[in-house]
Amino acid sequence: NAGVTQTPKFQVLKTGQSMTLQCAQDMNHNSMYWYRQDPGMGLRLIYYSASEGTTDKGEVPNGYNVSRLNKREFSLRLESAAPSQTSVYFCASSERGFGEKLFFGSGTQLSVL
Amino acid sequence: GESVGLHLPTLSVQEGDNSIINCAYSNSASDYFIWYKQESGKGPQFIIDIRSNMDKRQGQRVTVLLNKTVKHLSLQIAATQPGDSAVYFCAERPVDSSYKLIFGSGTRLLVRP
Repeated sequence: NAGVTQTPKFQVLKTGQSMTLQCAQDMNHNSMYWYRQDPGMGLRLIYYSASEGTTDKGEVPNGYNVSRLNKREFSLRLESAAPSQTSVYFCASSERGFGEKLFFGSGTQLSVL
Repeated sequence: GESVGLHLPTLSVQEGDNSIINCAYSNSASDYFIWYKQESGKGPQFIIDIRSNMDKRQGQRVTVLLNKTVKHLSLQIAATQPGDSAVYFCAERPVDSSYKLIFGSGTRLLVRP
């Protein structure tokens, strides 16, 4: 049972490049989330998908897009990376009601030069 | 490696002692609270959660206490072990935020052998 799997684990981009962070969960969870984590700060919600077929903006959505490809997969895309997007990105899913008992992946460390 | 938690408050305890990690939350309308543990280079790991209709909940070696009067949450770890060394986050779920979790910035727990 892999839980929440994120790829890649590390990525370096140049300003203006694009990339997609992949996330898949094998727990049959309805809700999935993308967070970013910056030094000394709590996790901040970028986008979420309460159920398959729906996506909504979180606290810091600017510069990102998401796709809920199916129930298992939820990807995060940076269309034109900026240094301010240097961060650690976590994908999560939840089994119960929305916003309860999230399970997190191991993260993607992204540096934008 | 991961750079989260550069300026976090730190709690240092002796191995075998009990640890108490505190968290002040902001929204009196929050109905759900959760604690996570995050080790260096890893994603947050669920520890324990509690609903607002409870004051206390116990797990394996951990207890969460909720004081709604002063909007305070605490995590007690019994017989602290070296493996407990990590950053601990609390999160609240305000019912007026579309049930999205809001995370605190965390406390670093260091266990002295």
